[in-house]
Amino acid sequence: QKEVEQDPGPLSVPEGAIVSLNCTYSNSAFQYFMWYRQYSRKGPELLMYTYSSGNKEDGRFTAQVDKSSKYISLFIRDSQPSDSATYLCAIRSGNQFYFGTGTSLTVIP
Amino acid sequence: SAVISQKPSRDICQRGTSLTIQCQVDSQVTMMFWYRQQPGQSLTLIATANQGSEATYESGFVIDKFPISRPNLTFSTLTVSNMSPEDSSIYLCSVLRLISYNEQFFGPGTRLTVL
Repeated sequence: QKEVEQDPGPLSVPEGAIVSLNCTYSNSAFQYFMWYRQYSRKGPELLMYTYSSGNKEDGRFTAQVDKSSKYISLFIRDSQPSDSATYLCAIRSGNQFYFGTGTSLTVIP
Repeated sequence: SAVISQKPSRDICQRGTSLTIQCQVDSQVTMMFWYRQQPGQSLTLIATANQGSEATYESGFVIDKFPISRPNLTFSTLTVSNMSPEDSSIYLCSVLRLISYNEQFFGPGTRLTVL
């Protein structure tokens, strides 16, 4: 079983929609969770990171961790065409980082 | 955030040749890593670049194929040796900073195509 599983999509939504991106993980001891955004032909850019359970909000983005279900989510409110990118979840355990395969998102104007 | 540059940004190479990718960071960092990213796959860690000593390689990657140098705290190189078409991929440099240990920053990547 992989440490992190992510639905690759692709996901296509109209502008203004709420987007939900999700990952599951295997080890209940994981504590640090991150979301990266990667535009085409660019390196991944850190969007948010959270520690343990709960929500963290930054503008239109909310990262949520449900440790009981080993489930992490990224919500994007009022999605914009500029949000079109691949989103990768990641988990840190010690000096190891485990990445999902990424979900490709397209926001249609 | 850390500003990371990589050279070259892309290259097309012939089978059997070698390519060296450079990674430069604008500030001193504790750890530097090299990843490979292939279409539809998650980031695969190649190795951790250690300053002044041999890199630490992940399973499936060896020094003869991917020699790595890190002469100081802000610079590292990855060489892809004796290339084959299977080495075609995006190679990414990433760093961890001492003051923000959860925040791993990535360079823009080097897109390599081997013919």
